[in-house]
Amino acid sequence: DAGVIQSPRHEVTEMGQEVTLRCKPISGHDYLFWYRQTMMRGLELLIYFNNNVPIDDSGMPEDRFSAKMPNASFSTLKIQPSEPRDSAVYFCASSPLWGRQPQHFGDGTRLSIL
Amino acid sequence: KNEVEQSPQNLTAQEGEFITINCSYSVGISALHWLQQHPGGGIVSLFMLSSGKKKHGRLIATINIQEKHSSLHITASHPRDSAVYICAVTGAGYTDKLIFGTGTRLQVFP
Repeated sequence: DAGVIQSPRHEVTEMGQEVTLRCKPISGHDYLFWYRQTMMRGLELLIYFNNNVPIDDSGMPEDRFSAKMPNASFSTLKIQPSEPRDSAVYFCASSPLWGRQPQHFGDGTRLSIL
Repeated sequence: KNEVEQSPQNLTAQEGEFITINCSYSVGISALHWLQQHPGGGIVSLFMLSSGKKKHGRLIATINIQEKHSSLHITASHPRDSAVYICAVTGAGYTDKLIFGTGTRLQVFP
């Protein structure tokens, strides 16, 4: 049973470039979450979807960040334009029934903006 | 003050020791989660509990709802248990987002 798959695992890019992070949730999981982890702030929820619909995007830091879930098996988190302070590890997680079942996390994307 | 507090922040132990990590929270919750993150690695959900106690192998998690406190115990610790352990809570609404503690870094030496 494949887990949550994120790509790329590592991304290094220059300030001002567009960055796209990808996530494939576990099949059958109706909830998908995007998190950011930094040394200073720990883990923070950016946005989560239920059945492909964004439910809570209050954690998205600013308009430079956007997330989409065009179908049940794919989601993207985009940063445009990127800034050095966006450097962090970004995790995607999914859950079959959030509130009743735990979340399953991907291995994360380590993003470095130079 | 953070809504979820963990102690200690750092913990070192010798192999075989019994380990306890504590988590206190100040909000109403529907569930509490214990997560494990190895260095440079992904995050694994260890427990999700809303009352009582759960056990999985050498790991035991307890929660006291009245005192708003949870503990994670590791019996017969092993170097492979070295990781960051994160406590998180789901708010009173079942589909509320997770609120994370800052984590406890555990190192177990042989």
